Amino acid sequence: KAGVTQTPRYLIKTRGQQVTLSCSPISGHRSVSWYQQTPGQGLQFLFEYFSETQRNKGNFPGRFSGRQFSNSRSEMNVSTLELGDSALYLCASSSFDRYNEQFFGPGTRLTVL
Amino acid sequence: AQTVTQSQPEMSVQEAETVTLSCTYDTSESDYYLFWYKQPPSRQMILVIRQEAYKQQNATENRFSVNFQKAAKSFSLKISDSQLGDAAMYFCAYWDNNDMRFGAGTRLTVKP
Repeated sequence: KAGVTQTPRYLIKTRGQQVTLSCSPISGHRSVSWYQQTPGQGLQFLFEYFSETQRNKGNFPGRFSGRQFSNSRSEMNVSTLELGDSALYLCASSSFDRYNEQFFGPGTRLTVL
Repeated sequence: AQTVTQSQPEMSVQEAETVTLSCTYDTSESDYYLFWYKQPPSRQMILVIRQEAYKQQNATENRFSVNFQKAAKSFSLKISDSQLGDAAMYFCAYWDNNDMRFGAGTRLTVKP
């Protein structure tokens, strides 16, 4: 089985722009979670989707949003980028029967200038 | 809110020896799961080991084992016969009700 894939792997944006990151889960996995990883704050949970519905959301401003499609692929969007949004954004998927065992993608490294 | 604490930002171990990474957590839940994840430099995070809170038996995966003390809310990872490939950031994680929380991580160095 192919692993979790994330595109793009690297992204450079400027303040005020918006960005969309994509995540394709492992085939058969219906849950997708997103995390932000920074040296200062560590790994922080953004949101989790299951069957196109957001089930859980972390403590991030409304500029961070996401969605999941019927094929379980997920996107997250960050609008009005700030310098502090520079981070590694990780996506993780899990199966229905082992729903809390997450498999991570390689991440998207976002740099905001 | 549940918190996960890893009190050792860095640890170092000699190749072939044993090292223990510490993790404590805070929760009022009785049913939850605990994990250790490994993130090698510039590589993907991978699951090392998983423990269900309702199981008293400590989980073991080859050279990796945990010491789960539910009453003390402690979940340490023991790596036996350390190998160079074990060098990585190790994250302790807590899960309940679709909410996953990670500790700050411990950077493990393995000396040849």
